[in-house]
Amino acid sequence: DVKVTQSSRYLVKRTGEKVFLECVQDMDHENMFWYRQDPGLGLRLIYFSYDVKMKEKGDIPEGYSVSREKKERFSLILESASTNQTSMYLCASRETNSIQYFGAGTRLSVL
Amino acid sequence: KNEVEQSPQNLTAQEGEFITINCSYSVGISALHWLQQHPGGGIVSLFMLSSGKKKHGRLIATINIQEKHSSLHITASHPRDSAVYICAVRLEANDMRFGAGTRLTVKP
Repeated sequence: DVKVTQSSRYLVKRTGEKVFLECVQDMDHENMFWYRQDPGLGLRLIYFSYDVKMKEKGDIPEGYSVSREKKERFSLILESASTNQTSMYLCASRETNSIQYFGAGTRLSVL
Repeated sequence: KNEVEQSPQNLTAQEGEFITINCSYSVGISALHWLQQHPGGGIVSLFMLSSGKKKHGRLIATINIQEKHSSLHITASHPRDSAVYICAVRLEANDMRFGAGTRLTVKP
């Protein structure tokens, strides 16, 4: 059974904290993605990766960075969390030209 | 203007009703996806299609490439169908764009 696992379902952090969101997939997919989802805006792509150690900016990369040291793991990093980064964060993976599989999401609140 | 537009934004139906959710897009695509998101956040892929029609149980998805339009139909709707339905298109560059979603509530 296909699985994309995000390390936390809910997270509360303070402004200025460094935040790590972890995502692991067990399907040996090359492509991994981080999105944020906000009411009325749909999913917006933050960063994606086509291979180990490769990363590409999405539509809204400002304030975020990523790390892909191993094929199965894609981490999203908020270097200094701000209140406007309060959102639902979704990780996804897929093979090229195939269905995208999503994690359960991490609801992050920055106070 | 968003490249992927869904309508309606919100939809309330009575159990048993036939439901249609529409998606229009303005870019060249290689495929279109319909996704379902239940309360709590998890997203599940329902369909991926690039032409014609697909059916899975009570769900039917159609796409008209010339008109750049897709519909998701739910027959004999049930309260467990209550969710947000998201239309997403895969661009020819293999990037994806998402609609804002349609929130469906089916009342018993």
